[in-house]
Amino acid sequence: NAGVTQTPKFRILKIGQSMTLQCAQDMNHNYMYWYRQDPGMGLKLIYYSVGAGITDKGEVPNGYNVSRSTTEDFPLRLELAAPSQTSVYFCASSPDRALTYEQYFGPGTRLTVT
Amino acid sequence: TQLLEQSPQFLSIQEGENLTVYCNSSSVFSSLQWYRQEPGEGPVLLVTVVTGGEVKKLKRLTFQFGDARKDSSLHITAAQPGDTGLYLCAGAGETGANSKLTFGKGITLSVRP
Repeated sequence: NAGVTQTPKFRILKIGQSMTLQCAQDMNHNYMYWYRQDPGMGLKLIYYSVGAGITDKGEVPNGYNVSRSTTEDFPLRLELAAPSQTSVYFCASSPDRALTYEQYFGPGTRLTVT
Repeated sequence: TQLLEQSPQFLSIQEGENLTVYCNSSSVFSSLQWYRQEPGEGPVLLVTVVTGGEVKKLKRLTFQFGDARKDSSLHITAAQPGDTGLYLCAGAGETGANSKLTFGKGITLSVRP
């Protein structure tokens, strides 16, 4: 199993551009999550999904959109990129074992908006 | 809103020393997890504790869940440079039914050879 994969690994965007961060998992996990990580701030939840066709906002959803058409894929869309979206983005999946929501993380995407 | 406070925020120690770090909250969690993150990589799950008072050991790492399920500690015996990294704690809500975790801000540990 590849686990959770994310592409691209690095990206530089100009202000106002849009892009999609890709995330895929091959573990048949129902739960998937998008986080951003800024220095000293821990992980902030952007959006999450409890299954195909179901998504919900996390703590910091503004400026982002998601879709979940399959169990495997959970892309994150940035519209009109802003410098405040410069961050490292992590996708994670969870098997929901006994409601503990143990997370399996991808390697991250480092995004810079200039 | 559930918050997890981790302390200390930074810790730099010599190889071979012992250390204890903490994860505290005023909220009750149904389970609590510890992750380790190395630079340029995603966090990796170390352990999950689910019962108040539970103690789990992973080689030189000992994890404890508080009796009231509001806090946790991580003790490392004879730290090694390979223990260097960011340690994150994360909790699932009291009922476990809200499908997501609350993360602390993390503890940056540096173990000098």
